[in-house]
This record gives sequence, C-alpha cells and structure tokens, in this order.
Amino acid sequence: GAVVSQHPSWVICKSGTSVKIECRSLDFQATTMFWYRQFPKQSLMLMATSNEGSKATYEQGVEKDKFLINHASLTLSTLTVTSAHPEDSSFYICSAIRQNTGELFFGEGSRLTVL
Amino acid sequence: QQQVKQSPQSLIVQKGGISIINCAYENTAFDYFPWYQQFPGKGPALLIAIRPDVSEKKEGRFTISFNKSAKQFSLHIMDSQPGDSATYFCAASKGGNTPLVFGKGTRLSVIA
Repeated sequence: GAVVSQHPSWVICKSGTSVKIECRSLDFQATTMFWYRQFPKQSLMLMATSNEGSKATYEQGVEKDKFLINHASLTLSTLTVTSAHPEDSSFYICSAIRQNTGELFFGEGSRLTVL
Repeated sequence: QQQVKQSPQSLIVQKGGISIINCAYENTAFDYFPWYQQFPGKGPALLIAIRPDVSEKKEGRFTISFNKSAKQFSLHIMDSQPGDSATYFCAASKGGNTPLVFGKGTRLSVIA
C-alpha cells in the first residue's frame, strides 16, 4: 500500500539552530502535501498546505519565515524550522494526497525537541 | 472557531462494550468525514470514512453513523478491546485537495 515516510522520526537540537524534516511519498506522486503540528495531548493543527512547484499556503498565525516549506518534487516536501526555540518542540506530521485518486495518507510524524 | 466539535474528551469502556464518540460540524461544504486512530508517538491512521450520501458505513467492528440534517456523525466501536485504547480523531474536509480539519480528539481506554 501507499506509504508516506517522514525523516527524521525524532530530533533533538539546540535553541537557535535550524532543523529540516522530510516528508516523502514512497510509491505515489503527490501534488499536495499538508503539514500539521501536534502538541502533547492535543489535536492536529494545520500549519500549511504545500503544493509542488509553488509557494506553500500558510494558516493564520503560522510564521512562514520560521517554518520554511519546500515542495520541489512530486514525492518530497520539506519543513525547515529555522532558529528553533523550546516552544517549537512538538510532533510534526505530514500528509500527502495521492495524485489521480485523491487518497490521503499520513506520515508517522517527527518529534522535535529543542533544548 | 472550532469547525469540528468532538465529544467526549475521554472515555472508559469495559472490554466487550460499545465505544461511542460523537462529532458535529458547521460547514455544510464538508463532504468527507474520516475517523483516525492514533497511538502515542505515531501518526494518525485512517479507520473508516464516510461521505454525506450515506447514513451509515460499517467496517468490521467500526461503524460510522452520519446525520446530514443534524450535521453530526459518530463512531461506534463494537466489542471494544484493550488494544483499541488510543486517541480517536474525527475530521472533515471539503474534498479535492483541501486539508482535513480535526476534532480535538477522544482518549479511549478499554479496561478488562
């Protein structure tokens, strides 16, 4: 079946550094991917919609200069948390829409801890 | 403004019992209503989904009931098992390439 892979699955970094998280659709092409953030014991909150070959669309309140999203190919979207701070510590989850079928698949998530 | 309201926040059910989780939505443009199961440290996994043209869908022990006029839908887990203990999220979308909007989640504990 279709799989969406996220890497890394967990990362610890120092405050002020940047961290890149990859989201790959392993056996299908995805023109649209979504990035969500989930704090402990809370729901998934949409951060941005990533469209291949164009700029991402950010939700209200999400800083586009802090959370850089690149969707350079039909199988890869990346989220870069720039100048990370402890309050950015969260579980980041991507999802991808399979081209032609419209099916939606979620990745396993990436846990970011900023010290 | 919360677009999808989910209740209860937590639920404890005896093994073998029926777990019922409810969701309500406001946006009549929503036309896709999935339920997701999430275990700690994992991404959400699709359980079952329904579209507004049917009132009920059953897959194994999981059933979605959909009431279009009331703008409500619910998940029923029959013969609940300890392995069903997880957080469940309802969601909704307008279809196409639009994102899912999630409810706040229900933490289910199935006790023996």
